[in-house]
Amino acid sequence: EVQLVESGGGLVQPGGSLRLSCAASGFTFSSYAMHWVRQAPGKGLEYVSAISSYGDSTYYANSVKGRFTISRDNSKNTLYLQMGSLRAEDMAVYYCARESRQSISSKGGWFDPWGQGTLVTVSS
Amino acid sequence: DIQMTQSPSSLSASVGDRVTITCRASQSITYYLNWYQQKPGKAPTLLIYAASSLHSGVPSSFSGSGSGTDFTLTISSLQPEDFATYYCQQSYSTPRTFGQGTKVEI
Repeated sequence: EVQLVESGGGLVQPGGSLRLSCAASGFTFSSYAMHWVRQAPGKGLEYVSAISSYGDSTYYANSVKGRFTISRDNSKNTLYLQMGSLRAEDMAVYYCARESRQSISSKGGWFDPWGQGTLVTVSS
Repeated sequence: DIQMTQSPSSLSASVGDRVTITCRASQSITYYLNWYQQKPGKAPTLLIYAASSLHSGVPSSFSGSGSGTDFTLTISSLQPEDFATYYCQQSYSTPRTFGQGTKVEI
């Protein structure tokens, strides 16, 4: 079964750091680009970051650029999101998702599957 | 970045109704448009990719159409399990931006 399982969410103070993980199983992880998407409480989906299948290309939304770092370990079938200088507006459920392409700049990909999400709460 | 705009933001419908949701891109994205369904407390799931291709396991009551900048998602006969929020997403360029969502409620 193709599956993504996030972990690492929790309560963190403003200005703090957190590392999210996304464990993949049931497919050849190194063949797919991966993405992080977040959803603030009661809001829509916000695109956060992307990484190509071999990790040589990345993208960050302006809202997280310079504070978040996406990475992957293909030997461990795991995607990461290192989050720093966290703000109240970063509070959300964070989802990882697999794209049907290797490159983050290819046209025509789609996200399937998605992980179940992990909640990040930023509060003092 | 390409902006995606959905309409309406929400709609009320009944079981058996035909429902249409519209998505407009800020520039041409040819047919690189995906649709997702999200139920409360759950992750989004893929419904349609490349504007009109039905994802495996998705009921044939769902269909997608459009090209260029204007797209539609149609549910031909609404079922109780279809009450959810629907999002469009462009895959023409990165960032893979989403529409703001359309909540389908009773």
